[in-house]
Amino acid sequence: DGGITQSPKYLFRKEGQNVTLSCEQNLNHDAMYWYRQDPGQGLRLIYYSQIVNDFQKGDIAEGYSVSREKKESFPLTVTSAQKNPTAFYLCASTPGDSYNEQFFGPGTRLTVL
Amino acid sequence: GESVGLHLPTLSVQEGDNSIINCAYSNSASDYFIWYKQESGKGPQFIIDIRSNMDKRQGQRVTVLLNKTVKHLSLQIAATQPGDSAVYFCAENRGDDKIIFGKGTRLHILP
Repeated sequence: DGGITQSPKYLFRKEGQNVTLSCEQNLNHDAMYWYRQDPGQGLRLIYYSQIVNDFQKGDIAEGYSVSREKKESFPLTVTSAQKNPTAFYLCASTPGDSYNEQFFGPGTRLTVL
Repeated sequence: GESVGLHLPTLSVQEGDNSIINCAYSNSASDYFIWYKQESGKGPQFIIDIRSNMDKRQGQRVTVLLNKTVKHLSLQIAATQPGDSAVYFCAENRGDDKIIFGKGTRLHILP
């Protein structure tokens, strides 16, 4: 089955530690995205990548970093510089010829203690 | 600031009735408007989109209406079912390679 996976589903970290969230897709999609969702809020774009080895900042990139070394993978690192990292993180992908229909993973809920 | 927003945070509808979820936008230059559905604990799912030069588009049990005069978008769900219970987001595509999401409306289905 083709799809987009995120792991782990729940993640706990101590304040001051960096943490990396995994996102993998086997849909052969070119573009991948990371969003943050806070309770009762919409999705805010953190970073996105249209092609391997290239990525752009979204609206709330500060305190986050990404890499896109492979087409299938787009990991997100939440650094200690992110002031309020506890949130639900969603990864998505699109084929690249249409950006309206994004395919989302199940999300990772990060709690920083 | 937020340019895609929703009129109500919560909407309760009797099972079997039609649901209408509303959204206002401010950017007249958007190419497309899009609706997503997010069930509890899951990622959003694409429902339907509408190009900015259209007024209406129909899908399976859903209709999206676009009123460019008042910059208003709505999603109509016919014969609402328990499985329609979710948060619905409107979003816009301004012609670049990303979309902007609104805050969402939670749809409650009453038995």
